[in-house]
Amino acid sequence: DAMVIQNPRYQVTQFGKPVTLSCSQTLNHNVMYWYQQKSSQAPKLLFHYYDKDFNNEADTPDNFQSRRPNTSFCFLDIRSPGLGDTAMYLCATSRERGRGTDTQYFGPGTRLTVL
Amino acid sequence: GDSVTQMEGPVTLSEEAFLTINCTYTATGYPSLFWYVQYPGEGLQLLLKATKADDKGSNKGFEATYRKETTSFHLEKGSVQVSDSAVYFCALSDIGGSQGNLIFGKGTKLSVKP
Repeated sequence: DAMVIQNPRYQVTQFGKPVTLSCSQTLNHNVMYWYQQKSSQAPKLLFHYYDKDFNNEADTPDNFQSRRPNTSFCFLDIRSPGLGDTAMYLCATSRERGRGTDTQYFGPGTRLTVL
Repeated sequence: GDSVTQMEGPVTLSEEAFLTINCTYTATGYPSLFWYVQYPGEGLQLLLKATKADDKGSNKGFEATYRKETTSFHLEKGSVQVSDSAVYFCALSDIGGSQGNLIFGKGTKLSVKP
């Protein structure tokens, strides 16, 4: 089945140790998103790629970076994780950004714990 | 700016009870509206959607109607099951404003008891 895949599902890292989370999709969608979801909160958009065009949210810390080497893959890099970065990280895709094509499909998430 | 307000939980119901989760929105344009469901420890799954006024989205016995006059998109189900226990998020996608980014409500936790 076409889907959004995230690896790993669970990641534990130490304070300040860089970590990379992976997302891949078989939907051939143009847009890929990264969200941060802290416990009992709504997902918060960090940034998204429209094709190769990177769009950062204004309040996303510089500590968070992203790469999209091709249509299928997108990575979230946290350069120096802090304890406050412990959260679920959700990847999503949408075909386009227009009406009727903007439905976002989410992966299962990566639960990151920073010790 | 655009926003979504949904009823706060938690909501606890007995099996086979009727469910309503209220959702209202504020948007400058004509957004698409969505309900997502999140089961414990998992990502978000699209439950249903509506892209224009008076559209009704439906899936797995859940329904929601896009009401432009009341700016609402309330989620309903006639008879809930224990397996419906999850967190439900109402969201809008403001195509004209924020490049189609999703704006979520805070989520409503539903617990269904046998």
